[in-house]
Amino acid sequence: RKEVEQDPGPFNVPEGATVAFNCTYSNSASQSFFWYRQDCRKEPKLLMSVYSSGNEDGRFTAQLNRASQYISLLIRDSKLSDSATYLCVVNSGAGSYQLTFGKGTKLSVIP
Amino acid sequence: EPEVTQTPSHQVTQMGQEVILRCVPISNHLYFYWYRQILGQKVEFLVSFYNNEISEKSEIFDDQFSVERPDGSNFTLKIRSTKLEDSAMYFCASSSWDYGYTFGSGTRLTVV
Repeated sequence: RKEVEQDPGPFNVPEGATVAFNCTYSNSASQSFFWYRQDCRKEPKLLMSVYSSGNEDGRFTAQLNRASQYISLLIRDSKLSDSATYLCVVNSGAGSYQLTFGKGTKLSVIP
Repeated sequence: EPEVTQTPSHQVTQMGQEVILRCVPISNHLYFYWYRQILGQKVEFLVSFYNNEISEKSEIFDDQFSVERPDGSNFTLKIRSTKLEDSAMYFCASSSWDYGYTFGSGTRLTVV
C-alpha cells in the first residue's frame, strides 16, 4: 500500500518561530513531491514543489532525501497567516498524475 | 488567477439517490481529477481523466462512480445509489503537464 506518513501535530508555535515538518513516503517509484497547505474546510493549495537539490521560496525551505524517502518543510519567521494544515504529497510513480496525500500536520501560530 | 469552479458548494441527498457533481476546469489544462476527503481524513484520489477517457482510477472508484466531460468545459462526477459513507468533500482539480494542480473549492456531499 502506498502511504505518506506525517506527524499529525498540532504544532503550536509563537509568531517568529521556526518550525519543521517531516514526512516519509513508502512508494520508491514516486518522482514528484509537493507541500500543500489546507485551511479548515477549504481546498488544498500548492505551497511548493520539492526538488532533489532542495529549494527555497521566501520563508519556506523544502528538502528531499530519496534514499531515505523523506521530505521536510521548514518555515522561518512564522506568521499568524501560516496557521493551516500542511500536506505532504507525492505522485504514484513514473508518468502517473495520481497524487497520494499525507493526512497533514496542523500548525497554529500564536500571537 | 485562473480558477477551477465547482457546483454546488453543498449537496444534501437521500441514501440511494443519484448525484451529479459539476466542475469547470481551467480552460487550457488537459488533465482533470476528482478527489474526496472524508471529514477528518486525508485527501484521497478517485480518478484522473485525459483525452476524453479515464487514465487512472483508485479502488474507491467502483461501478457506483462515473465521470464525463459532456462538452468542452464541464467535467462531472456521477455517484449512483449514494450511501451514507459517500458523505465527504469532493474536490475537482485540473493540471497542465507539469503537475501544477489547481483544486476547486469543493462540493460538500451529505448523504442522509
